[in-house]
Amino acid sequence: DQQVKQNSPSLSVQEGRISILNCDYTNSMFDYFLWYKKYPAEGPTFLISISSIKDKNEDGRFTVFLNKSAKHLSLHIVPSQPGDSAVYFCAASHNAGNMLTFGGGTRLMVKP
Amino acid sequence: EPEVTQTPSHQVTQMGQEVILRCVPISNHLYFYWYRQILGQKVEFLVSFYNNEISEKSEIFDDQFSVERPDGSNFTLKIRSTKLEDSAMYFCASSEAAGGYNEQFFGPGTRLTVL
Repeated sequence: DQQVKQNSPSLSVQEGRISILNCDYTNSMFDYFLWYKKYPAEGPTFLISISSIKDKNEDGRFTVFLNKSAKHLSLHIVPSQPGDSAVYFCAASHNAGNMLTFGGGTRLMVKP
Repeated sequence: EPEVTQTPSHQVTQMGQEVILRCVPISNHLYFYWYRQILGQKVEFLVSFYNNEISEKSEIFDDQFSVERPDGSNFTLKIRSTKLEDSAMYFCASSEAAGGYNEQFFGPGTRLTVL
């Protein structure tokens, strides 16, 4: 089942630069997309989300972009900080249900 | 800040044994979930629970699994006869309302090791 895919298992970025994490999906029924951050030995923590009726949502250093025609979303972190180093999961849902479908995650390393 | 808690943090069991994983959701939340993550794989949805009933479940959630809210605070996942492939991190989550657009708050997880 590859309904949500994160093709980059890892990403390394210099502190202060932009981090761009990508996510693709195949299920047209998805209408809500979320990004979760996960540190070792902790559960996923909600970061930011976007509804399918929007193409951009911004919260401080974090911006999520959605391209529905391409079934692609991305998370931008500007500027990146060492504390952002974690695994980032893209997740999707459709309003009819409660389940989140997760991507495989991208490990972000922000170097000082 | 309210948080979801899970016990134990690590459970080791023999194949064929029953295990119960426990969760205390955030107190004013009404919707509860279990997910699991096998090492190196994706986080996978198992089940959602509302008003003392399963509202949605995945193919993984077969007859070996059951969930219960035995009192006003706990939410449990039972695996009746564990298999080696049940070894995974199990995450409990809760949310105020239904729908995938309502933020689900995750607990720290229980690592289940089946020998």
